Amino acid sequence: DAKTTQPPSMDCAEGRAANLPCNHSTISGNEYVYWYRQIHSQGPQYIIHGLKNNETNEMASLIITEDRKSSTLILPHATLRDTAVYYCIVRGKSSGDKLTFGTGTRLAVRP
Amino acid sequence: DAGVTQSPTHLIKTRGQQVTLRCSPKSGHDTVSWYQQALGQGPQFIFQYYEEEERQRGNFPDRFSGHQFPNYSSELNVNALLLGDSALYLCASSEVGRPPGEQYFGPGTRLTVT
Repeated sequence: DAKTTQPPSMDCAEGRAANLPCNHSTISGNEYVYWYRQIHSQGPQYIIHGLKNNETNEMASLIITEDRKSSTLILPHATLRDTAVYYCIVRGKSSGDKLTFGTGTRLAVRP
Repeated sequence: DAGVTQSPTHLIKTRGQQVTLRCSPKSGHDTVSWYQQALGQGPQFIFQYYEEEERQRGNFPDRFSGHQFPNYSSELNVNALLLGDSALYLCASSEVGRPPGEQYFGPGTRLTVT
C-alpha cells in the first residue's frame, strides 16, 4: 500500500470548515483512499473513501486531486465533537481487508 | 442495532500470563479483524477471520492467535504476555461484498501487562 503523509496537528474554529490534507504521492491506479477518525477513548470510525472522483456523504467530503497524489477531507461545519485524530489510509486489493494506519492528524476544534 | 461489542473493557495481567479477549461483530457482518494500538500510535493489524478461518495476518508473532465461532463472534488469545503487549486491542467487523476498507470498530479492550 502507498505511504501517506499527514500533518501531525491542526485546529479550526467551531462552525468553520476543517480541511485535512493527505499526501499519497506513490498511490497506484487501483488503490483507494480511506479516511477514518478516532475520538478519544473510542475505536476508529469510518468516514468516507474514494478512488478518483470526489465523494460526499453525511459526514464529510473527499476531494482527490486529478493526479491522485493528494487528497483533502472536508468537514463543512466543524463542531466540538469533531475533535479527534483523523487517519488517511491508502489501500489496494493486494492488502486484502487490512487497514494500515499511520499516526494521523490530531484535529482540535476551538469554541 | 448493536454495533461491535468487546469484552472486557479493561484487563490487567502479569507478564507471562495468557489472556483472551472477545468480540461480537455488528449485526449482519461476517468478518472480524483485530488490531493492536499502542499509546500514541495508530492501530496495527493483527489478523482477520472469515468463515472461521484466519484469512490474513499482520506482522505479529505466533503468541497471538484467534478463533471465530459459527455465530461470527471472535476471540483473540495472547500467550506468554510481555510488557510490550500493553495496548488497546480493537476489533473491527465488516461484511463480505462491502468495500473492504469499510470496517466498523468496537470500543476496544485496554490491556495492561505488569
